[in-house]
Amino acid sequence: AQKVTQAQTEISVVEKEDVTLDCVYETRDTTYYLFWYKQPPSGELVFLIRRNSFDEQNEISGRYSWNFQKSTSSFNFTITASQVVDSAVYFCALMNRDDKIIFGKGTRLHILP
Amino acid sequence: DGGITQSPKYLFRKEGQNVTLSCEQNLNHDAMYWYRQDPGQGLRLIYYSQIVNDFQKGDIAEGYSVSREKKESFPLTVTSAQKNPTAFYLCASSARDRDDETQYFGPGTRLLVL
Repeated sequence: AQKVTQAQTEISVVEKEDVTLDCVYETRDTTYYLFWYKQPPSGELVFLIRRNSFDEQNEISGRYSWNFQKSTSSFNFTITASQVVDSAVYFCALMNRDDKIIFGKGTRLHILP
Repeated sequence: DGGITQSPKYLFRKEGQNVTLSCEQNLNHDAMYWYRQDPGQGLRLIYYSQIVNDFQKGDIAEGYSVSREKKESFPLTVTSAQKNPTAFYLCASSARDRDDETQYFGPGTRLLVL
């Protein structure tokens, strides 16, 4: 079975706090890709990161960082020093060899001023 | 600017009416996709096309139809057979390149039933 679970439906933090969004996936394939997308109130999905299953290096991009751990089938996303503009719904997604993407149900993040 | 455009932004459908949502991309991508998003839910795949003149059903194709006559265009028709069409519809495209098959999304169309 292929599945993406984002257990946190909604999170609220005060601006400047750090926040981690969890993502756990299930797949039988050894080759797969993981993604994070941001959906601001406007609705468009904005691509944030793509990681393949052979690359477990953590990635940092400005205030964003991602922690990929195959041992726990997790691909967590951390925002450091959060800002109000980070308020959005964030989706984790899995792509297998059939090229179809499976999305989690998303985590709605509220950054309070 | 390269990107994906969807029109209209909002669309209203009357009972028994077919409506068509437009999706155009100038990224020279071979593959295009249509997703449906319901409130508080993730995205569900309706149809996808990996090459011109070919398309495949996704997980929730019933009540929808598509065509892929041009590489740049992948219109979605919501037919009267779709009994609960109110949703947010997102179009995406990707290159068929094993080094990068990231899907990039358009701004979406909100469909409401009157």
